[in-house]
Amino acid sequence: EPEVTQTPSHQVTQMGQEVILRCVPISNHLYFYWYRQILGQKVEFLVSFYNNEISEKSEIFDDQFSVERPDGSNFTLKIRSTKLEDSAMYFCASTPTVIGTGPAFFGQGTRLTVV
Amino acid sequence: GDSVTQMEGPVTLSEEAFLTINCTYTATGYPSLFWYVQYPGEGLQLLLKATKADDKGSNKGFEATYRKETTSFHLEKGSVQVSDSAVYFCALSDPTGGYSTLTFGKGTMLLVSP
Repeated sequence: EPEVTQTPSHQVTQMGQEVILRCVPISNHLYFYWYRQILGQKVEFLVSFYNNEISEKSEIFDDQFSVERPDGSNFTLKIRSTKLEDSAMYFCASTPTVIGTGPAFFGQGTRLTVV
Repeated sequence: GDSVTQMEGPVTLSEEAFLTINCTYTATGYPSLFWYVQYPGEGLQLLLKATKADDKGSNKGFEATYRKETTSFHLEKGSVQVSDSAVYFCALSDPTGGYSTLTFGKGTMLLVSP
């Protein structure tokens, strides 16, 4: 069964460093998403991506964040200068249609720890 | 804005016990409602959904009914198994936003012992 894969599963980084979280969505899907969950809090929407551009982003997704689909298979989330409060589990998802109309397929997550 | 509230976990049950995980929501429109499940080491996957009032979603013995009057979508299972141990997420998608995002709760961990 096709699945979304994320790497790495756990990343520890120093505050102020740049990190890139990687995701390989399901190959025939068209919509791509990043969500995150800070420990003990709700899963929060960060950004959606369709047709090679951002279609929607939340207030969390400020200028420190960017997304890219560099080669038609990977989907990356970059945080330019990490802060302690960026520590969270980051989930990538892909869907064949908009996320609220059908099943979304999530990766297993990348746990980012900023020290 | 839209929000989802789930009961706090962990919920600890013995095998064959009855399960209820409460979920209530607030939304601008009449949302679609979902339960997602995350098994250890895996990604979230859709368990069941309901798209309008009084709809019942069901899958793998789990059920949830869309109750508009109480703005609730409680998850139930009559007899849990050890393999049901996972984190369960209630979520909604609002048509006023074009169903373009999912709004999740915090998740509820379920631990089932033999």
